[in-house]
Amino acid sequence: GESVGLHLPTLSVQEGDNSIINCAYSNSASDYFIWYKQESGKGPQFIIDIRSNMDKRQGQRVTVLLNKTVKHLSLQIAATQPGDSAVYFCAENFNNDMRFGAGTRLTVKP
Amino acid sequence: GAVVSQHPSWVICKSGTSVKIECRSLDFQATTMFWYRQFPKQSLMLMATSNEGSKATYEQGVEKDKFLINHASLTLSTLTVTSAHPEDSSFYICSATTGFTEAFFGQGTRLTVV
Repeated sequence: GESVGLHLPTLSVQEGDNSIINCAYSNSASDYFIWYKQESGKGPQFIIDIRSNMDKRQGQRVTVLLNKTVKHLSLQIAATQPGDSAVYFCAENFNNDMRFGAGTRLTVKP
Repeated sequence: GAVVSQHPSWVICKSGTSVKIECRSLDFQATTMFWYRQFPKQSLMLMATSNEGSKATYEQGVEKDKFLINHASLTLSTLTVTSAHPEDSSFYICSATTGFTEAFFGQGTRLTVV
């Protein structure tokens, strides 16, 4: 696999709405997936993870869905708040080899 | 949660000099550390993966003689940018993992080469 260095897609939502951020991963053998949030000028922060033996996992206001058939991961944020504005990355982990998706910039409008 | 400390958080250096960035896992033993580079408005780009006690594995296109990585212990990895040039200016981030959990990230280092 390769890391990507693409310009980030953006998602703009209204405060209070739900957000869905999507990610396609590359390795069908990846067994562990993570969503990170990165605020400007800071390192990524862990949000939620999921192992390949699950297809859904819920946290506080966040849900991760895994579709192994099409190698797709999504992050759902309920009742999006201004503090949720950040760049969100998915990462796949296989044999201790962690690769990031391109990331999505989420902007929350008040 | 686990803490990874990256130092310095920002550095300005003159062109041609070398800069060392440290990445420490404070409360766990990191069998593997990753070094990333991030350009503005772009994704993290993996530069290299280092396992304690062995040579780092560099990604294609990353010059190993320019970006020296040392992972001498289970809690410390260093990235040295040698003979830095303005195009090396970037945000560098390390992460560390035990191999059984997600990776924990340092706060990043903003390098500016003038």
